[in-house]
Amino acid sequence: GENVEQHPSTLSVQEGDSAVIKCTYSDSASNYFPWYKQELGKRPQLIIDIRSNVGEKKDQRIAVTLNKTAKHFSLHITETQPEDSAVYFCAASDNAGKSTFGDGTTLTVKP
Amino acid sequence: NAGVTQTPKFRILKIGQSMTLQCTQDMNHNYMYWYRQDPGMGLKLIYYSVGAGITDKGEVPNGYNVSRSTTEDFPLRLELAAPSQTSVYFCASSLTGGAEKLFFGSGTQLSVL
Repeated sequence: GENVEQHPSTLSVQEGDSAVIKCTYSDSASNYFPWYKQELGKRPQLIIDIRSNVGEKKDQRIAVTLNKTAKHFSLHITETQPEDSAVYFCAASDNAGKSTFGDGTTLTVKP
Repeated sequence: NAGVTQTPKFRILKIGQSMTLQCTQDMNHNYMYWYRQDPGMGLKLIYYSVGAGITDKGEVPNGYNVSRSTTEDFPLRLELAAPSQTSVYFCASSLTGGAEKLFFGSGTQLSVL
């Protein structure tokens, strides 16, 4: 089955700095790569996603890049704010919508 | 639309007890999923369903059962609760599976003591 590895497990940045989280996946059949943000005690919420036929996608301060050949994808957050502090999960999904999640990155943005 | 609704929000079970976690969605989604999230970990797929009457195992199905008699409902059954099943359980749905985002319920925090 699919295996997703996510790094780093914790990330601390100063407000205004950039944050980068990286994931690798193993199954070349995976074709959809969402990123979820989970605040303490809450449900995961989608923040951005990318499909396998696209190399990069941007939404305001958030961007995702995908390298299909190397089987890795990354989340980039620019101009970080304290409200960006949360746990971020990457996932790789197949055609049945079954998502395999990474173990998460705890991002702390210090004011 | 309420989205995906899970009940209960919290539950404490004794070892060997049984219970059903309820999940219902009002978005007419075909695909529904059950995930568990252990502390400090990502979500692991327990079971999923691609439509009424069809269910299949995910990564960690042992100790659980599901049914999907209607499009709206996807209950998760624990028959003989064990401490290893202490976790937060999330139900999720998507319209057609594939390259679509998941809509999550608010979760059920289950402790087995």
